[in-house]
Amino acid sequence: GEDVEQSLFLSVREGDSSVINCTYTDSSSTYLYWYKQEPGAGLQLLTYIFSNMDMKQDQRLTVLLNKKDKHLSLRIADTQTGDSAIYFCAETPPTGGSYIPTFGRGTSLIVHP
Amino acid sequence: ETGVTQSPTHLIKTRGQQVTLRCSSQSGHNTVSWYQQALGQGPQFIFQYYREEENGRGNFPPRFSGLQFPNYSSELNVNALELDDSALYLCASRSAGAASTDTQYFGPGTRLTVL
Repeated sequence: GEDVEQSLFLSVREGDSSVINCTYTDSSSTYLYWYKQEPGAGLQLLTYIFSNMDMKQDQRLTVLLNKKDKHLSLRIADTQTGDSAIYFCAETPPTGGSYIPTFGRGTSLIVHP
Repeated sequence: ETGVTQSPTHLIKTRGQQVTLRCSSQSGHNTVSWYQQALGQGPQFIFQYYREEENGRGNFPPRFSGLQFPNYSSELNVNALELDDSALYLCASRSAGAASTDTQYFGPGTRLTVL
């Protein structure tokens, strides 16, 4: 079955870069996503990458995909205290368009001033 | 603001009761999905509705059911509540047919506590 694994916690100093890692098991995944969840809120889609891409950059966010190792990472440059949140990795296998994502347990990012 | 709202914000029920949670999707979104997020876990897919019919279901028993209405609102119903049903319930809406990567918008969730 599908499984998405993430480390549970990451602590960084403000201004440093953060790297959040994720591994997945379904080699047929078509899209891989990063979501952000702030306390008491729903999930906000941050960025995504299609499985035939290696890298995607969007302002302070860089997504790297190693399809051979089934490893996805999210790098946040110049991390700010407002980036403190839980970050979820998710994948969608090809399911005929019904789009059923599998989420990891989330990585709690703590940014120290 | 995603334009997706959920009600109520919080709810307390006792074991064996029934509950109905509501979601109002963005106008024009024909697909709504419901997720259960237990404490410390990622969201688990419950089911998806497209044009008022269920068209995808996760590993949840039949006591979890739903409805989608033409006015972009939807409901999640849970019968015979169990203690393990305590969780944050999220709905997400999108417009099927557009790129699935950038059109799923989540509501803030309903926190259900079962005593």
